[in-house]
Amino acid sequence: SYELTQPPSVSVSPGQTARITCSGDALPKQYGYWYQQKPGQAPLLVMYKDNERPSGVPERFSGSSSGTTVTLTISGVQAEDEADYYCQSADISSASWVFGGGTKLTVL
Amino acid sequence: QVQLVESGGGVVQPGRSLRLSCAASGFTFSTYGMHWVRQAPGKGLEWVAVISDDGTKKYYADSVKGRFTISRDNSKNTLYLQIKSLRPEDTAVYYCAKNPAYGYYFDYWGQGTLVTVSS
Repeated sequence: SYELTQPPSVSVSPGQTARITCSGDALPKQYGYWYQQKPGQAPLLVMYKDNERPSGVPERFSGSSSGTTVTLTISGVQAEDEADYYCQSADISSASWVFGGGTKLTVL
Repeated sequence: QVQLVESGGGVVQPGRSLRLSCAASGFTFSTYGMHWVRQAPGKGLEWVAVISDDGTKKYYADSVKGRFTISRDNSKNTLYLQIKSLRPEDTAVYYCAKNPAYGYYFDYWGQGTLVTVSS
């Protein structure tokens, strides 16, 4: 299996733009997905297939992909966006699903 | 709406066994793959196992192979995870999660059930 690497933490002020990256060798071949997890809650899908936003997720959330890196961008960050964010992909050859280590987004 | 409700967690002694359940509703359970994902206290998410819609295909994380068994009963809309020889490092919240029709990800999650392995 392979690994996905995220920065442990990202801090932004309200109204600014937060960018959370996720790097992995298989990402050029496999989609990246993003989950938001607030304390005491289950993860919530916020981005799928690199840049598709599920219904109900605010438009300020967007995704992109370039080479071995996928990025979750939150424009105009709000206090309610403070959470842990996990990227995820899959290693189809070994039938395994992989998560990044998670990034704690702090809204200052 | 999609609902996934886990149960079966609790405090268990090392070496014992446990079976977790996940009751599904709000969708046609028998047509979707299902997963278990766990999260140790204060740690990140770890994928555990997946089962195909008809239950014929099962895959596991290397860390749990041989001790964990995923299964499902489509007549009861229920997903299971049997855990043998529990270890302290199995202490975690265990989530069941639904795989969408296409793709390799988790579109809905349950609220989780906490398993604590301690003597």
